[in-house]
Amino acid sequence: AQSVAQPEDQVNVAEGNPLTVKCTYSVSGNPYLFWYVQYPNRGLQFLLKYITGDNLVKGSYGFEAEFNKSQTSFHLKKPSALVSDSALYFCAVHNTDKLIFGTGTRLQVFP
Amino acid sequence: GAVVSQHPSRVICKSGTSVKIECRSLDFQATTMFWYRQFPKQSLMLMATSNEGSKATYEQGVEKDKFLINHASLTLSTLTVTSAHPEDSSFYICGVGGPNQPQHFGDGTRLSIL
Repeated sequence: AQSVAQPEDQVNVAEGNPLTVKCTYSVSGNPYLFWYVQYPNRGLQFLLKYITGDNLVKGSYGFEAEFNKSQTSFHLKKPSALVSDSALYFCAVHNTDKLIFGTGTRLQVFP
Repeated sequence: GAVVSQHPSRVICKSGTSVKIECRSLDFQATTMFWYRQFPKQSLMLMATSNEGSKATYEQGVEKDKFLINHASLTLSTLTVTSAHPEDSSFYICGVGGPNQPQHFGDGTRLSIL
């Protein structure tokens, strides 16, 4: 079965520091991977995706993610965190016609 | 990407009431829409896939008679929570997207059953 895991419930980082939100996946075949962000009482916003091609994917709001096939990982990164990046982040894998979400990681950026 | 409008954003009602939630795809003809449920501090759980002009596909454990889905047009899907009870209180989110493409989501509906 296809699945994603987000091992950290929460990540704390100081503003201006780099951030990483971890995601590992388990799929059969080529993975289609996504990152979404959710602000309080809102739906999810698409950040970036990996379908094929370059392992480093750049997305919205300065976020990027690196696809690592050998480690089956798709960690979300940003070189310099902003307080406004504080939100809930979900990694997801596409399974036939459905999205399967990780459990989410709450990112808290402190001023 | 698709612009998705979900209405209402919040509902508070008495136990036994039926509640309808609308999901509209404003700029994308969606043959398929997705309904999710999110519990506090938890991930999104897919409830059902709404198929335009045909029956919805429900995930295992989701009661079809409890959560009625209608997808009568390419731009509108509705989820009706019938005879809602406090345990149905949750955050419901609809999503729109094609195969292997990013889904775009409504802003969700916070349902509170008293």
